[in-house]
Amino acid sequence: SYELTQPPSVSVSPRQTAYITCFGEDLGDKYAAWYQQRPGQSPVLLIYQDSKRPSGIPGRFSGSISGDTATLTISETQALDEADYYCQTWDTSSLVVFGGGTKLTVL
Amino acid sequence: QVQLVQSGAEVRKPGASVKVSCKASGYSFTDFFIHWVRQAPGQGLQWMGWITPKSGGTTYAERFEGRISMTRDTAINSVYMELTSLQSDDTAFYFCARGGSREGYNLWGQGTLVTVSS
Repeated sequence: SYELTQPPSVSVSPRQTAYITCFGEDLGDKYAAWYQQRPGQSPVLLIYQDSKRPSGIPGRFSGSISGDTATLTISETQALDEADYYCQTWDTSSLVVFGGGTKLTVL
Repeated sequence: QVQLVQSGAEVRKPGASVKVSCKASGYSFTDFFIHWVRQAPGQGLQWMGWITPKSGGTTYAERFEGRISMTRDTAINSVYMELTSLQSDDTAFYFCARGGSREGYNLWGQGTLVTVSS
């Protein structure tokens, strides 16, 4: 079955840039999405179709993809960005797949 | 207000079934797929399947085939997810989410905690 691999944790200092990666075979041929989930809350869509941002999502959040790796970039990181982040894609065999999630810590 | 509102927490014994509802409001109910995603305590997100409100068509994740059923009631803009033969590892928050491959899951319900315990 198809898998997406994320680092379990990423640390960043306030006002610095955080990069969260998501690896999947031939991910560049599929659409990738990113979600933020704060403790006790439902996930929130940050990025869809690799790099598009829904209305209401700050411009500090951006998405890109290169080859088999999608990257979520959070610039000017703030304390409120501490959360779990999940990538997701659609695969013809496994249908909908989530990555294992990355816990972002703002030190 | 555009929202998905789910039914309340449930407690079930092993072997029992549970049915969770998800009521849509503020948008055209039949225009978007509804997916179900679950999250065990402290764990990641796991996709369960989707339903097309317009036709009632469904697609389920292989791991749930045979014990999951998704239905809808267009008269009250609601979808339902029923999971049978519950075991302790089915204890999780269950979320409904609107969307698909083009737009992502751009609207989520608040989640329903299902606890399976003897």
